[in-house]
Amino acid sequence: DTAVSQTPKYLVTQMGNDKSIKCEQNLGHDTMYWYKQDSKKFLKIMFSYNNKELIINETVPNRFSPKSPDKAHLNLHINSLELGDSAVYFCASSQTRSPYEQYFGPGTRLTVT
Amino acid sequence: GQQLNQSPQSMFIQEGEDVSMNCTSSSIFNTWLWYKQDPGEGPVLLIALYKAGELTSNGRLTAQFGITRKDSFLNISASIPSDVGIYFCAGQTYSGSARQLTFGSGTQLTVLP
Repeated sequence: DTAVSQTPKYLVTQMGNDKSIKCEQNLGHDTMYWYKQDSKKFLKIMFSYNNKELIINETVPNRFSPKSPDKAHLNLHINSLELGDSAVYFCASSQTRSPYEQYFGPGTRLTVT
Repeated sequence: GQQLNQSPQSMFIQEGEDVSMNCTSSSIFNTWLWYKQDPGEGPVLLIALYKAGELTSNGRLTAQFGITRKDSFLNISASIPSDVGIYFCAGQTYSGSARQLTFGSGTQLTVLP
């Protein structure tokens, strides 16, 4: 009965590789987000999708590409991984009528070596 | 972009003590929220505030939306060990026409037995 789930939980990879993180929500929400949390625990939004349409695209390298196949899924693909990409990535979801009441997934800890 | 200044950065308290933390901004916010993040998990919404001056409680937690709309505080009464975690304030900002959350830097709370 998980509300927002992400896979994998941990991801260790080498510089230059391409990797994907998957997110699914079963809350019936129509908006989904990707956040990055750095080593100092600072949370910053990267992308937001509403009904599969990209509505927020913060200053993020274009090596990061989100994809939303349907309202319940939002995946994050990262090309040519760099050391600085190491962080915890959180997926979240909300309803359009309550955009601030966001439900977060458990996070994916990405380590680039 | 807009930034939220959250303090204190960390707190060590004895079980049973009350705790207070706050968040300030140089800009006006229309919405303030407080989230808690347990180790290894994603943030969970504790309290949402939508009106200046609003005071809202959730069990032992009480939060207020400052009358100037530039600050908010969170109080935890009679702390218990499971209160340990990182507490984030968040405020509504805009990315273009899309509403989004900007998070504070977090307050790490440790409750000593």
